[in-house]
Amino acid sequence: QKEVEQDPGPLSVPEGAIVSLNCTYSNSAFQYFMWYRQYSRKGPELLMYTYSSGNKEDGRFTAQVDKSSKYISLFIRDSQPSDSATYLCAMSVSNDYKLSFGAGTTVTVRA
Amino acid sequence: GAVVSQHPSWVICKSGTSVKIECRSLDFQATTMFWYRQFPKQSLMLMATSNEGSKATYEQGVEKDKFLINHASLTLSTLTVTSAHPEDSSFYICSARGGPNEQFFGPGTRLTVL
Repeated sequence: QKEVEQDPGPLSVPEGAIVSLNCTYSNSAFQYFMWYRQYSRKGPELLMYTYSSGNKEDGRFTAQVDKSSKYISLFIRDSQPSDSATYLCAMSVSNDYKLSFGAGTTVTVRA
Repeated sequence: GAVVSQHPSWVICKSGTSVKIECRSLDFQATTMFWYRQFPKQSLMLMATSNEGSKATYEQGVEKDKFLINHASLTLSTLTVTSAHPEDSSFYICSARGGPNEQFFGPGTRLTVL
């Protein structure tokens, strides 16, 4: 079993739709949770960063962490074609800087 | 802020040669940098953790004599792929630690070994 599992997709949605992305994990020691966006042939870009459980909102993006279920989500509201990318979840143990990544979900937003 | 650069962005080399990739944090100091490898349509796999002024820590299965890492300053880490072979062809990405559990990634280097 992989340490971090991510819905593989690909996901195709019409412009304006809500995009929902999810990851589950097995290591209960994870404390820090991140979502990265990666465009083709580029390095990942940090989108959201959350510590422990709860919700965090930044513009059109909302990240949710449910540590009791070992489940994290990213929601993108009013999706745009420019949101088309691969989204990677990542997490780390407190005081441990190593990131464990999900496999990534490729999202296409159709104009 | 928090910009990380990599050079070169792509490189093609012959089998058996060595290739050096540079990773720089442009607007902050990074005591810790990380090197990842990413194969097509796969996620990032951590290769090693590079700490300024000390030896790198390699992940299990990564040959330290093949992937030489040097972190000579607070803004520069280098990865040298020695005696490269076609199976080393991949997308190499570095990141720099910008805060507690925050990492900022470089744009990546695509290595093709012929």
